[in-house]
Amino acid sequence: GNSVTQMEGPVTLSEEAFLTINCTYTATGYPSLFWYVQYPGEGLQLLLKATKADDKGSNKGFEATYRKETTSFHLEKGSVQVSDSAVYFCALSEAGNMLTFGGGTRLMVKP
Amino acid sequence: DTEVTQTPKHLVMGMTNKKSLKCEQHMGHRAMYWYKQKAKKPPELMFVYSYEKLSINESVPSRFSPECPNSSLLNLHLHALQPEDSALYLCASSRETSGYSYNEQFFGPGTRLTVL
Repeated sequence: GNSVTQMEGPVTLSEEAFLTINCTYTATGYPSLFWYVQYPGEGLQLLLKATKADDKGSNKGFEATYRKETTSFHLEKGSVQVSDSAVYFCALSEAGNMLTFGGGTRLMVKP
Repeated sequence: DTEVTQTPKHLVMGMTNKKSLKCEQHMGHRAMYWYKQKAKKPPELMFVYSYEKLSINESVPSRFSPECPNSSLLNLHLHALQPEDSALYLCASSRETSGYSYNEQFFGPGTRLTVL
């Protein structure tokens, strides 16, 4: 079956630091890949997505590249802000629109 | 309008109570989902409705009873819950569940349920 593995948190960074959250996946076919963000007390929001190999998803300064050879979709941001503090979920979807989530990584950014 | 609304925001209930969670969207989406999220865990899919018909039930106990009265509304009826059912219950919707490409799921803010 499908699975998503992401680095355990929390990840604690100072403001303006570089962020990487690792995500690797196992899938039987050719999934679409996503990063969702969950701010405290809120539901999930789609942050970015990539639907095929070598696609780069980007939004709000965050980027992730679909790497089929390493089955990875690592999230990066060049300069984090306090407002980026949240839980980040890597996810994949194959047929039927169902999402398989990773365990989530909590990011804490200190001023 | 890209919003999914959920009521109530918080709910505390006893094990013998009957309560309902409500979810509403006005995006014209024909697929709606219920998820359960425990603290520090990812959401777990419970039910999927497609064109107002239940299409997926992920072996959820019968004390949870979903209902889709129309294409904009989704309810989750709760009865005889256990303390371990305390969690954040998230609703989501998407254009549909089938098709060649992924249809983005839009999530509501959730209902935080506490069972005493």
